[in-house]
Amino acid sequence: KAGVTQTPRYLIKTRGQQVTLSCSPISGHRSVSWYQQTPGQGLQFLFEYFSETQRNKGNFPGRFSGRQFSNSRSEMNVSTLELGDSALYLCASSLARQATAYGYTFGSGTRLTVV
Amino acid sequence: SQQGEEDPQALSIQEGENATMNCSYKTSINNLQWYRQNSGRGLVHLILIRSNEREKHSGRLRVTLDTSKKSSSLLITASRAADTASYFCATEIIQGAQKLVFGQGTRLTINP
Repeated sequence: KAGVTQTPRYLIKTRGQQVTLSCSPISGHRSVSWYQQTPGQGLQFLFEYFSETQRNKGNFPGRFSGRQFSNSRSEMNVSTLELGDSALYLCASSLARQATAYGYTFGSGTRLTVV
Repeated sequence: SQQGEEDPQALSIQEGENATMNCSYKTSINNLQWYRQNSGRGLVHLILIRSNEREKHSGRLRVTLDTSKKSSSLLITASRAADTASYFCATEIIQGAQKLVFGQGTRLTINP
């Protein structure tokens, strides 16, 4: 069965622009999480959604937002991009309602470069 | 600050040798998970150990957890070139928070 699909794989944006990243979880998975990975800060939690509800949000500015649709697909949006937003953005899905109690399946990520 | 501190940051060994990576954490946990990442791609879930477990095995992987020392170790036996990757520990601190806190990772290189 298909894994977690993230699109696009690579993205180059200019400071001040906004960007939308997409994540399609494994079929049947209703929990979707987003993480940001940078060389300096490592893997940082952004948000978690379950059945279209955001259950937790990480310590990121309001420029970072997300949502989940009824088919469990999720998007995250970053507005007014800054150079420091350059990162690998990873989406992860889980079948379990208590996803962190069982582990996640990650997508290959979207590499965002802000210039 | 990161919950998990991994040691060593980088490890280089010969194929066939065993590799041991350690993870220490600061607060009580519900479970600890290990993930592998190849060259900046997605993470692959390797193994999960719950706070009431002391040791788990999965193929060539052995994980131990010492909650009194707030530490875990991942042992990969009979390493292969394909094991070259970064390995991360992740902890679930608060049950129901749906958030994993990752360590900085250990970069493992297996030399043929």
